[in-house]
Amino acid sequence: GNSVTQMEGPVTLSEEAFLTINCTYTATGYPSLFWYVQYPGEGLQLLLKATKADDKGSNKGFEATYRKETTSFHLEKGSVQVSDSAVYFCALSEGGSNYKLTFGKGTLLTVNP
Amino acid sequence: NAGVMQNPRHLVRRRGQEARLRCSPMKGHSHVYWYRQLPEEGLKFMVYLQKENIIDESGMPKERFSAEFPKEGPSILRIQQVVRGDSAAYFCASSPPSKGRHEQFFGPGTRLTVL
Repeated sequence: GNSVTQMEGPVTLSEEAFLTINCTYTATGYPSLFWYVQYPGEGLQLLLKATKADDKGSNKGFEATYRKETTSFHLEKGSVQVSDSAVYFCALSEGGSNYKLTFGKGTLLTVNP
Repeated sequence: NAGVMQNPRHLVRRRGQEARLRCSPMKGHSHVYWYRQLPEEGLKFMVYLQKENIIDESGMPKERFSAEFPKEGPSILRIQQVVRGDSAAYFCASSPPSKGRHEQFFGPGTRLTVL
């Protein structure tokens, strides 16, 4: 079956530091890949997505590139802010007629001023 | 444009009681997904519904759990005879009907506590 493995947290950084959160996946076919962010006490918000190999998703300074050869979708940001503190989830969907998402366990990011 | 609505936001039940969780999808969305988030875990898929149809319930426990999405009204996730292990956050997501749209929009969740 499908699975997503992401970097164990928690991750603690200082403001303006570089961020990488690793994500690798196992799937049949050609899944779509996503990063979601969850702020304390809230639901998930889509951060970025990529639907085919070599696509780069980007939003709010975050980027991730769909790498089919390494089955990876690592999240990066060049300069984090305190407001980026949240839990980040990597996810995939098979597509076709069923778009159910398979999630990683989440990575808690804390950014200190 | 209202987002996905879930209520209640917090629900406390005693063991053996029933829990009913409601989800109103975004306007124009006809696909609803339910996910469960156990403490310090990622979200796990439970069920995928379209109006009046269950499409995929492969993530639903075989007993005590049921879901519906009627022609009119919200989607309901029902848990009968709750046990402590049912304590979790339950999230609903919706997506539009058109093919090729992968994005799911999540509600704020219902946090169920079983005493």
